Amino acid sequence: EVQMVQSGAEVKKPGESLKISCKGSGYSFISYWIGWVRQTPGKGLEWMGIIWPGDSDTRYSPSFQGHVTISADKSISTAYLQWSSLKASDTAIYYCASPLLGVPWAFDIWGQGTMVTVSS
Amino acid sequence: QSVLTQPPSASGTPGQRVTISCSGSSSNIGSNTLNWYQQLPGTAPKLLIYNNNQRPSGVPDRFSGSKSGTSASLAISGLQSEDEADYYCAAWDDSLNGVVFGGGTKLTVL
Repeated sequence: EVQMVQSGAEVKKPGESLKISCKGSGYSFISYWIGWVRQTPGKGLEWMGIIWPGDSDTRYSPSFQGHVTISADKSISTAYLQWSSLKASDTAIYYCASPLLGVPWAFDIWGQGTMVTVSS
Repeated sequence: QSVLTQPPSASGTPGQRVTISCSGSSSNIGSNTLNWYQQLPGTAPKLLIYNNNQRPSGVPDRFSGSKSGTSASLAISGLQSEDEADYYCAAWDDSLNGVVFGGGTKLTVL
């Protein structure tokens, strides 16, 4: 079965660091882009960036550049999204997704989402 | 403020046909294909339409998409209660060099 499984919910304090994960299975992990999407409570979707797991080529949305780091470990078919210093405004659900249809940016496989809560 | 503009809400009665619009610019919808996502409450988004008007396997043909210039629309015919969800349009933006989403439209089935 093709799936992307994300790590569990996190509760952190402002200023703390965090790394969440997204493990792909059932397909060739290194052959498709993986994107990260943020959804703040009651709000819409925001594209954060993408990574090509084969060579770790990474592109960021200008809105997130410098605040998050996207990485991947192809040996374990896992992509990561990390923060070095969280803010309360980072409280959101984060999804990973891949365009397995082979159509650029048509994300047809999604992870279940990781809820990140940042509160003092 | 989202780069792609959608109406915040739409509604219809069972069996009715509803359309949801998505407006953009020459750097996104005008020069790239448009995708639509459906997000049921408490779940991850699901790809509904890709390449402006193509349906992934398993998506009923009640759902259709179209694009003209810098605007696009999603049509749902034979509306059903299970269609109640949030719908998002998305496209690559050449100026921002990334994917842009619409603000989402909450569809209510009356």
